[in-house]
Amino acid sequence: EAGVTQFPSHSVIEKGQTVTLRCDPISGHDNLYWYRRVMGKEIKFLLHFVKESKQDESGMPNNRFLAERTGGTYSTLKVQPAELEDSGVYFCASSQRLAGGNEQFFGPGTRLTVL
Amino acid sequence: QKEVEQDPGPLSVPEGAIVSLNCTYSNSAFQYFMWYRQYSRKGPELLMYTYSSGNKEDGRFTAQVDKSSKYISLFIRDSQPSDSATYLCAARTQGGSEKLVFGKGTKLTVNP
Repeated sequence: EAGVTQFPSHSVIEKGQTVTLRCDPISGHDNLYWYRRVMGKEIKFLLHFVKESKQDESGMPNNRFLAERTGGTYSTLKVQPAELEDSGVYFCASSQRLAGGNEQFFGPGTRLTVL
Repeated sequence: QKEVEQDPGPLSVPEGAIVSLNCTYSNSAFQYFMWYRQYSRKGPELLMYTYSSGNKEDGRFTAQVDKSSKYISLFIRDSQPSDSATYLCAARTQGGSEKLVFGKGTKLTVNP
């Protein structure tokens, strides 16, 4: 079974440009999460989709970040315009929709560098 | 105060040693506790997943949660060079938000 995949693995852009990150969750997983790790800090939650609906977007830093999950399959995270402090590793995770707890499986991450 | 605190190390041990990794947390609403292992330039890989207090064992790995002291531990027996990685503890509440709250991670090196 394929795991969570993310594209691209690495992106280098200049301040003010736009970047779109993509995540393909594990097949059958209704839950999809975005997290971010800024250098020197812990991994932090950005938002959570259940199918195509945003369940929790409390971690989104500001309105320069836009996440979508059309059709409840893959998700994109767009940063527009990018700022220097947006540099970091963006992780996507997915999980099944189960009662009680659910295990979140992470992708390899997209390393974003904003110059 | 951060919700999950973890000593970033680094921690270096000889092969075969017992490794103890620890985290503390402040949110008493946390009910689920996880340990992830992350190799360099890879995503976090789920190692252990426990609910509430108690112990859970899986091969050479044992996870312990003590909710009275808000303390989470991961023990690795007979450590191997392949265990060299960053270990991340994480926690989340039951119901409500499903977001994971992570510690900073502890970088472990097991020397042959």
